[in-house]
Amino acid sequence: EVQLVQSGAEVKKPGESLKISCQGSGYTFTNFWIGWVRQTPGKGLEWMGIGYPGDSNTRYNPSFQGQVTISADKSVSTAYLQWSSLKASDTAMYYCARLVYSGSSRRSNDAFDIWGQGTMVTVSS
Amino acid sequence: DIVMTQSPDSLAVSLGERATINCKSSQSLLYSSNNQNYLAWYQQKPGQPPKLLFTWASSRKSGVPDRFGGSGSGTDFTLTISSLQAEDVAVYYCQQYYNNPLTFGGGTKVEIK
Repeated sequence: EVQLVQSGAEVKKPGESLKISCQGSGYTFTNFWIGWVRQTPGKGLEWMGIGYPGDSNTRYNPSFQGQVTISADKSVSTAYLQWSSLKASDTAMYYCARLVYSGSSRRSNDAFDIWGQGTMVTVSS
Repeated sequence: DIVMTQSPDSLAVSLGERATINCKSSQSLLYSSNNQNYLAWYQQKPGQPPKLLFTWASSRKSGVPDRFGGSGSGTDFTLTISSLQAEDVAVYYCQQYYNNPLTFGGGTKVEIK
């Protein structure tokens, strides 16, 4: 079964760092882009950025550039989203999702066919 | 950024009746070189991640019931549920993948009347 399994919910204080994970299984992890999507009640679904584990290529939404870092470890088929200094406004549900397009990093715009279950991040003093 | 605007925000439909959701993009999603519309539809049920229903505006994904239909081109798109079932209660989103940043509509909540 093709699936993405995300790490568990996190409760952090403003200014703390955080790295959440997304492990892929049932497919060739290095052949597919993995994107990150933020969901909040106020702003809905927002595409944060995307990474291609095969060559570590990344693309960021300008709205999130510099605020988060997307990475991957091919050896454990896991993608990561990390913050160096959290803000209360980072409180949200975060999903990883696999891009439909596969085989190379030539194109990074497509729909998402497989989604992780989500990681709830709460930032509060 | 391409802005995706969905309407209505919510709708209540009787079981067995038709539900129609609209999605409008701020620029055309039709790519002339391949004549494809770069538009996807998702369904999200409470407590679950979004589920992909359609790509290329009207290409139904495997396993999606045929009471769901996707149509439209350019800047105007529609998701139709021809005969609403109880299990269709969800929020539906459109998403453009014409270019980065990928953007989603605000969602349409479908409920039973």
